[in-house]
Amino acid sequence: DAGVTQSPTHLIKTRGQQVTLRCSPKSGHDTVSWYQQALGQGPQFIFQYYEEEERQRGNFPDRFSGHQFPNYSSELNVNALLLGDSALYLCASSPPLAGGQETQYFGPGTRLLVL
Amino acid sequence: AQKVTQAQTEISVVEKEDVTLDCVYETRDTTYYLFWYKQPPSGELVFLIRRNSFDEQNEISGRYSWNFQKSTSSFNFTITASQVVDSAVYFCALSTNQAGTALIFGKGTTLSVSS
Repeated sequence: DAGVTQSPTHLIKTRGQQVTLRCSPKSGHDTVSWYQQALGQGPQFIFQYYEEEERQRGNFPDRFSGHQFPNYSSELNVNALLLGDSALYLCASSPPLAGGQETQYFGPGTRLLVL
Repeated sequence: AQKVTQAQTEISVVEKEDVTLDCVYETRDTTYYLFWYKQPPSGELVFLIRRNSFDEQNEISGRYSWNFQKSTSSFNFTITASQVVDSAVYFCALSTNQAGTALIFGKGTTLSVSS
């Protein structure tokens, strides 16, 4: 059973550019969440997608946007990159809600460096 | 407000020592979930345990054990007879009704186990 996969693994961009990160959830999972993890910090919630719509959003600017496809895979887009966007971007998937909070399973992440 | 505090930034032990990682949480919700994740150098967050606020029973899984105490808002994690492979960053996380499905992470504790 394949876990959560993310691509690419590493990425280098320059300020002002745009970037797209991709995530495929675990089999049977229908919800995808994205987190940003700065060096030495805990992950920060960006947003969550369910049924191809953004269900919940954290405290991130509109430069961060996303999409979920019918096969439950997801993309994270960041426009007008800033140096401060350099981080590890983690995708997590979770199974259909069965009452309460389902466990989120994380992928290996994409390391983004903005120069 | 919801918050997770992991006061121990770094812990160093020698193999076979027992080590306890502390986690203190804040929430006014009566229903919430607590998690522990392990992050090895590869970057992927590995799920270890989920506990809901109504289940105060402590849990043991091999060398791992968790102590949940609502009276002190703590959810501590103990590794018995630590091994070099336990070296990683460990995160405690909280999910509440008010926070929706977002996970609120602490800043993590870096555990180094030497041989």
